[in-house]
Amino acid sequence: IAGITQAPTSQILAAGRRMTLRCTQDMRHNAMYWYRQDLGLGLRLIHYSNTAGTTGKGEVPDGYSVSRANTDDFPLTLASAVPSQTSVYFCASSDGVDANYGYTFGSGTRLTVV
Amino acid sequence: GQNIDQPTEMTATEGAIVQINCTYQTSGFNGLFWYQQHAGEAPTFLSYNVLDGLEEKGRFSSFLSRSKGYSYLLLKELQMKDSASYLCAVLDSNYQLIWGAGTKLIIKP
Repeated sequence: IAGITQAPTSQILAAGRRMTLRCTQDMRHNAMYWYRQDLGLGLRLIHYSNTAGTTGKGEVPDGYSVSRANTDDFPLTLASAVPSQTSVYFCASSDGVDANYGYTFGSGTRLTVV
Repeated sequence: GQNIDQPTEMTATEGAIVQINCTYQTSGFNGLFWYQQHAGEAPTFLSYNVLDGLEEKGRFSSFLSRSKGYSYLLLKELQMKDSASYLCAVLDSNYQLIWGAGTKLIIKP
């Protein structure tokens, strides 16, 4: 793989179910991010991690959790999905917190909660 | 609060020039990014400005005025493949990216 891999590409999920969105990068970037993108709104930060072993809450963290056990992986878990979590989820990484060279994004996971 | 404003949609003609504006009000400023996002795809990095002035990169240029809280992305010699959404984002004092909703650019032949 080269860059960031997200899985699954898309998913239809029953409300109340638990789901983990996977994100793996092979660029050895320290910082990783989870965003959701909804029509008419900008990308909104859910959670972030500046380095392995640390995580932080973004703008819309409720209902989501993350872990960063190593540099490469940054999974996002929905403990009990609700329809308002229907969205496109993007994982991103950057080479340092200041992100001078921009973020690299995964191809996204399209999640529908019914 | 923090806010990034950009037009929702713009239309331009193939071969022409278009300027997409972005104004921002954020808690601190550590740089401004422009990203391109084709429908159904991930955003891809276009440019980064941290100092006032114009940065040119091929057919694309980005301008920044920190005192005015203003940036624009200039696209020259428009091609059909430039049809996409263009996202403006500001790195705030906590080094978090604040994103605009994006400008959908439609290119007509």
